[in-house]
Amino acid sequence: EAGVAQSPRYKIIEKRQSVAFWCNPISGHATLYWYQQILGQGPKLLIQFQNNGVVDDSQLPKDRFSAERLKGVDSTLKIQPAKLEDSAVYLCASSLVPTGTGGLRYGELFFGEGSRLTVL
Amino acid sequence: AQKITQTQPGMFVQEKEAVTLDCTYDTSDPSYGLFWYKQPSSGEMIFLIYQGSYDQQNATEGRYSLNFQKARKSANLVISASQLGDSAMYFCAMRSQGNLIFGKGTKLSVKP
Repeated sequence: EAGVAQSPRYKIIEKRQSVAFWCNPISGHATLYWYQQILGQGPKLLIQFQNNGVVDDSQLPKDRFSAERLKGVDSTLKIQPAKLEDSAVYLCASSLVPTGTGGLRYGELFFGEGSRLTVL
Repeated sequence: AQKITQTQPGMFVQEKEAVTLDCTYDTSDPSYGLFWYKQPSSGEMIFLIYQGSYDQQNATEGRYSLNFQKARKSANLVISASQLGDSAMYFCAMRSQGNLIFGKGTKLSVKP
C-alpha cells in the first residue's frame, strides 16, 4: 500500500515570495491534515479536511496561508507572502476515519515525509 | 485546555538496554487516546503504539510498551533492548474530541 506522498521535499525561498506544497493521501482515506513543525517543536495542526470540506482551520494564519482539497483526494497548501517564521517542515497526514469516529484508535494518522521550507 | 508535556529534550541509552521516555498529559475529557510516534532524520512520523483511556491493560507492540498511569496522567514509552536504529525523535500525542496534539519531543540517541 502506497503511503502519503508529499512534494517538494525541500524548498528555499525569500521572504514575501509564495510557495505551494502538494499532498496525496493514502487511497481511501477521507480525512487529510496539514501540520506545521517548527524546528525543536512538535507538529501543530494547521487545517483538517473531511473529504473536500474543512473541519478545522482554527490555527491556520488565513492572511497568508490557504489550502484546498477540491476533489476530496489530493491537497495543496499555499503560503503567500512567506515570512521568516514560516520556516518549518510541513507535514501532511491522512486517516481512514475522522476524529472521534469509530473509536479513537481507528483515527490513526499516517504521515508523509514532509516538505521542508526555508525562508531567507 | 489539553496539553502534552515531554520534559526530556534528549536521552542517551546503551545499545541492548531499556529506556523510558516520559510523557504527561492534561485533559478534562474522560475519553481520550494517547499515541507515540517516532520521527527519524528522514522526517516521517511513524506510529508506534496507542493507549485508550478506558483500556484496562497497558499497550504493548513488540519492543515498545506504554506505562499508562491514569491517576498521574502519565503515558511513558518503554523501549526494550534498544537498537542503533531507534535513534530518533519521539513524540507523545493525545486526542479526545479535537485534533491530535503533540508534545515537544525527546531526542533519543543509542550508543553502540
